[in-house]
Amino acid sequence: EAGVAQSPRYKIIEKRQSVAFWCNPISGHATLYWYQQILGQGPKLLIQFQNNGVVDDSQLPKDRFSAERLKGVDSTLKIQPAKLEDSAVYLCASSLGFSQPQHFGDGTRLSIL
Amino acid sequence: GNSVTQMEGPVTLSEEAFLTINCTYTATGYPSLFWYVQYPGEGLQLLLKATKADDKGSNKGFEATYRKETTSFHLEKGSVQVSDSAVYFCALSRGGGADGLTFGKGTHLIIQP
Repeated sequence: EAGVAQSPRYKIIEKRQSVAFWCNPISGHATLYWYQQILGQGPKLLIQFQNNGVVDDSQLPKDRFSAERLKGVDSTLKIQPAKLEDSAVYLCASSLGFSQPQHFGDGTRLSIL
Repeated sequence: GNSVTQMEGPVTLSEEAFLTINCTYTATGYPSLFWYVQYPGEGLQLLLKATKADDKGSNKGFEATYRKETTSFHLEKGSVQVSDSAVYFCALSRGGGADGLTFGKGTHLIIQP
């Protein structure tokens, strides 16, 4: 089966600019997650969707980060405006449902200048 | 809140040596516990999991036992190979609906021939 697809693989922007990341989960996976992985640390959950509804966004910096999954399939994560500390790899994961194994994409590496 | 602490790396071993990577956690309730692995140039992959106390997860010669009394989930392998060189992440999920993962910082394992 095809894995979790993410694009772009790399992105370089200047601080205060906007950026968006795209994720296409594994077909049939109802649950989708976005994680932020700063260099030298483990991934940190930003937001979890179940179909097109938000289950957990308690760690999402809502003043600058937003995410949507309008049709319950693809998802986009946006940062506006970006700060230097947002430099990280942004990982998308999906699973069949609650308490099922999560499958990760290769991530988008974001560099802020 | 939930947290995971794992031993700092890098850990360097010779081929066929015994491996232990320590992991302890703090969580309310009864979390599920996981080990994820990231091989060079690849995405995060689930290595093994345990969902309740005294469960043992195993895969590819690796094992870990869910110890509630010591809040630990140490990863072990009896004889490591060069191909086991990777970054290993311990993680927990509180389960139920909001089952996003809380990761440790990761342990870089280097196996020398």
